Amino acid sequence: NAGVTQTPKFQVLKTGQSMTLQCAQDMNHEYMSWYRQDPGMGLRLIHYSVGAGITDQGEVPNGYNVSRSTTEDFPLRLLSAAPSQTSVYFCASSYSGTSGDLYEQYFGPGTRLTVT
Amino acid sequence: KNQVEQSPQSLIILEGKNCTLQCNYTVSPFSNLRWYKQDTGRGPVSLTIMTFSENTKSNGRYTATLDADTKQSSLHITASQLSDSASYICVVTTGASWGKLQFGAGTQVVVTP
Repeated sequence: NAGVTQTPKFQVLKTGQSMTLQCAQDMNHEYMSWYRQDPGMGLRLIHYSVGAGITDQGEVPNGYNVSRSTTEDFPLRLLSAAPSQTSVYFCASSYSGTSGDLYEQYFGPGTRLTVT
Repeated sequence: KNQVEQSPQSLIILEGKNCTLQCNYTVSPFSNLRWYKQDTGRGPVSLTIMTFSENTKSNGRYTATLDADTKQSSLHITASQLSDSASYICVVTTGASWGKLQFGAGTQVVVTP
């Protein structure tokens, strides 16, 4: 299994541009999520999905869109990039249920995004 | 205010020495506490998961302890190796939803020869 894969690894955007960060998993996990990681702060949840066709907002959803058309893929779209979105983005997946079920959460390698 | 506080922010230790990282949390209700290791440029990888009824759990040279009464956890690294250089992240969950995880900012550990 490849686990959780993310593309691209690095990206530079100009303010106002749009782009899609790709995330895929081959573990048949129902739950997938996107986090951003900024220096000195813990990971913050952007959006998550508990299955195909179901998405919900996390702690910091503004400026981002998601969709989940298949179990495997969970792309994150930046609608109009802003310098405040400069960050490292991680995708994660897990079996469904809740975090209290002690399932492991698997993270991808991350995408480092810079917005100028 | 972050509900999960980790200390120290960073530390440097000599190869072969032991160290202990701290995690204090105010998250409630509490379901379980997780420690992750994050190598530079990589995603976090799970080390341990502990429920409120567990006091200690080991994974090789990593030993996590939990005191649910005082809401404190620690991660002890024994006989450190250069490969232990990483950020260690404490995560507390309420159990209600994966969306309710609270992440600490991490402790950056540097192991020097």
